[in-house]
Amino acid sequence: QKEVEQDPGPLSVPEGAIVSLNCTYSNSAFQYFMWYRQYSRKGPELLMYTYSSGNKEDGRFTAQVDKSSKYISLFIRDSQPSDSATYLCAMSGGSEKLVFGKGTKLTVNP
Amino acid sequence: GAVVSQHPSRVICKSGTSVKIECRSLDFQATTMFWYRQFPKQSLMLMATSNEGSKATYEQGVEKDKFLINHASLTLSTLTVTSAHPEDSSFYICSARDPGAPEQYFGPGTRLTVT
Repeated sequence: QKEVEQDPGPLSVPEGAIVSLNCTYSNSAFQYFMWYRQYSRKGPELLMYTYSSGNKEDGRFTAQVDKSSKYISLFIRDSQPSDSATYLCAMSGGSEKLVFGKGTKLTVNP
Repeated sequence: GAVVSQHPSRVICKSGTSVKIECRSLDFQATTMFWYRQFPKQSLMLMATSNEGSKATYEQGVEKDKFLINHASLTLSTLTVTSAHPEDSSFYICSARDPGAPEQYFGPGTRLTVT
């Protein structure tokens, strides 16, 4: 079993839809959770960072962490074509390395 | 968020030559920087962890004599691909970590093409 599982998609939604992206993990030591957005041929951009369980909201983005289920989510409200990118979840136990999911490719159609 | 730059953004070199890629943290001091490699439509593959003033720690399977990493200051790390071959062609991305924080900030990446 891989440490972090993420459905690679692709995921295609109409503009304005609510998007749900998810990752599951197996290592109970993980306590720092991140979501990155990567546009084609660019470096990943940190979108959201959460510590332990709970929700965090930033504009149209909401990150949720459920440590009991080892499940994290990123919700995008009122999705826009500019949200079209690959979304990577990443997590760590506080050590230096981040463990990444494979990324989910999202396309928002106008 | 913190800003990390990379230079060059794109480089084409001939087989057998060496190429140096620079990674800079522009608005914070990064005691730790990371080097990743990314193949098309694949996730990031960590190559090495670079700590300021000490030797880099390489991931299993990464040739340290081929991918030389130097982290001479708190804002600069370099990756030198020595005797490059076509199979080294890839997208190389660095990241930097603010001391005491787990999140990493990524540079824009360097596309290396070896002909």
